[in-house]
Amino acid sequence: ILNVEQSPQSLHVQEGDSTNFTCSFPSSNFYALHWYRWETAKSPEALFVMTLNGDEKKKGRISATLNTKEGYSYLYIKGSQPEDSATYLCAFMGGYGGSQGNLIFGKGTKLSVKP
Amino acid sequence: GAVVSQHPSWVICKSGTSVKIECRSLDFQATTMFWYRQFPKQSLMLMATSNEGSKATYEQGVEKDKFLINHASLTLSTLTVTSAHPEDSSFYICSAQRLSYEQYFGPGTRLTVT
Repeated sequence: ILNVEQSPQSLHVQEGDSTNFTCSFPSSNFYALHWYRWETAKSPEALFVMTLNGDEKKKGRISATLNTKEGYSYLYIKGSQPEDSATYLCAFMGGYGGSQGNLIFGKGTKLSVKP
Repeated sequence: GAVVSQHPSWVICKSGTSVKIECRSLDFQATTMFWYRQFPKQSLMLMATSNEGSKATYEQGVEKDKFLINHASLTLSTLTVTSAHPEDSSFYICSAQRLSYEQYFGPGTRLTVT
């Protein structure tokens, strides 16, 4: 059974704090790692799709790194703002076999940013 | 671009009745759509993969006769929960695939079966 773990489960920070979350995934049969941002009552929004070991992606104040050999990815938010409050999901996509192309999600990290 | 809608956003139905949920890709064509389910405090779990013009592929443990999937066009997939029971109460969400690894999600449907 493929397992994707995210930590922490939830995080409360003050506006202006920088924060980071972890996503652990299987290190074999890797194809891609997805990060989504999910606000309540909205569609999950795609943040990054990462495919190469050592990949680093950036979108505004949010960035992510990828280590496929050890099976983890970090998501960083610099200078958190209240509008960053959301649940951040990571999803592993395998490269072959029955799970090819399917996303296997972690439970998410719920971020709350206090003004 | 890459907007996916889902309807209804919430529904309450009586035990034994059927409920249909629609998933539409509004500004792109999707040969493949996915249906997920999320129970409280759990992760999104893939139920089935829906391919336009062919039968859906169901994940292990998902009853295909209970969760009917129809992907009749490149922009629409439907999930029908037949003879719903209270244990089917859950959050159902679809996604549409644009490129080989990009999936765009709808906002989800909260189903409550009484």
